Formats: sequence, structure tokens, C-alpha cells
Amino acid sequence: KAGVTQTPRYLIKTRGQQVTLSCSPISGHRSVSWYQQTPGQGLQFLFEYFSETQRNKGNFPGRFSGRQFSNSRSEMNVSTLELGDSALYLCASNPTGGREKLFFGSGTQLSVL
Amino acid sequence: SQQGEEDPQALSIQEGENATMNCSYKTSINNLQWYRQNSGRGLVHLILIRSNEREKHSGRLRVTLDTSKKSSSLLITASRAADTASYFCATDDSGGGADGLTFGKGTHLIIQP
Repeated sequence: KAGVTQTPRYLIKTRGQQVTLSCSPISGHRSVSWYQQTPGQGLQFLFEYFSETQRNKGNFPGRFSGRQFSNSRSEMNVSTLELGDSALYLCASNPTGGREKLFFGSGTQLSVL
Repeated sequence: SQQGEEDPQALSIQEGENATMNCSYKTSINNLQWYRQNSGRGLVHLILIRSNEREKHSGRLRVTLDTSKKSSSLLITASRAADTASYFCATDDSGGGADGLTFGKGTHLIIQP
């Protein structure tokens, strides 16, 4: 089985722009969650989706949004980018929707200039 | 969300030696997991220990959990150069919060040949 696929791998944007990141989970996995990783704050939970429904949301501003499609693929969007949004964005999938044994993609490294 | 703390932040040992990393957390948990991350890539799940378990083994890995002290340790025996990575503990909090997994800051392990 192919692993979790995230695209693009690297992204450079300027302040004020918006960005969309994509995640394809492992085939058969219905749960997708997103995490932001920065040197200062570490790994922080963004959202969790299961069967196209957002089940949980972390403590991030409304500029961060996401969705999940019927094929379980997920996208997250960040609008009005700020310098502090520069981070590695990681997507993880799980077959059952729980929080046990997440399978992570390689991430999208976003740089905001 | 509150984050755990790994100790030490960095650890350098010789190949063949054992490596021990510690993790402390602040809330009641359902389980605690350890993940490995190689140089800015995605995280790989290593081992999960439930709140009613005290010790678990998987290959060269040994995890202990002390819920009274809210702490866990990860022991890697007979270390290899390929074990060089960052190691994170992650807790699935049982308090009903909707914050995904709570990750610690990580221990950066360097295995010297």
C-alpha cells in the first residue's frame, strides 16, 4: 500500500497570500488529521476529519481551514499568510478515526516571506 | 493544549550503547505513543502503551509508563547509526478534550559510529 502522500513538498509564499495543501491518506483510511510543526512551538494539532466531517479542531485562528472529500483526500487552506505560518505541515491518516498509531506523510514545508 | 516534556533535549552516544529518553506529561491519558522523525520528514509510529500498562517491548524498544508520576521512558538497546533521529512522545488525553495528540518537544538522538 502506498503511504500518506502530501503535495507539494515545498512551498514559498509571501505575506497576505493564501495557500492550499493536499493530503492523500493510505487507501482505506477514513480519518485524516493535520499538525503544524515549528522549532518554537513543536507539533500542534490543527484539525481532524472523518468521513468528510470535521471532528476536532485545534487552537488556531479562522485563517486555517480544511476539508475532506468523499475519497478521504483532504486539503487545508491558510488565508492571509503571516510570517509565523512558516512551518512543516504534516498530515496523518488512521483507519478507524481514533488517535492510535497515526501514519504520517512527509509533510509540506511552507516558507512565508 | 499542554505539551509534555522530553528529557534530555539532545543525546549523543556511541553505536552499540543503550539510549534512554524520558517524557513527562500533565493530564490523564488513554495512551502514550512514541514516534521517530528523521530530519524534517514525517513521523513514524514506534510503540503505544495504554494507561493500564506499565511496560511494553517491541524489538530493541522498551517503553515504561508511570501514571502516578505522569512519566514515560523509551529505551533503545544496542543502538545503531540508523537510530539517529528525533524522538517524540505523544499523549492521547482522556479529559474529553478535542485537541488531537499532544506531542512533546522531542529528544534529538545522535548515534556516533
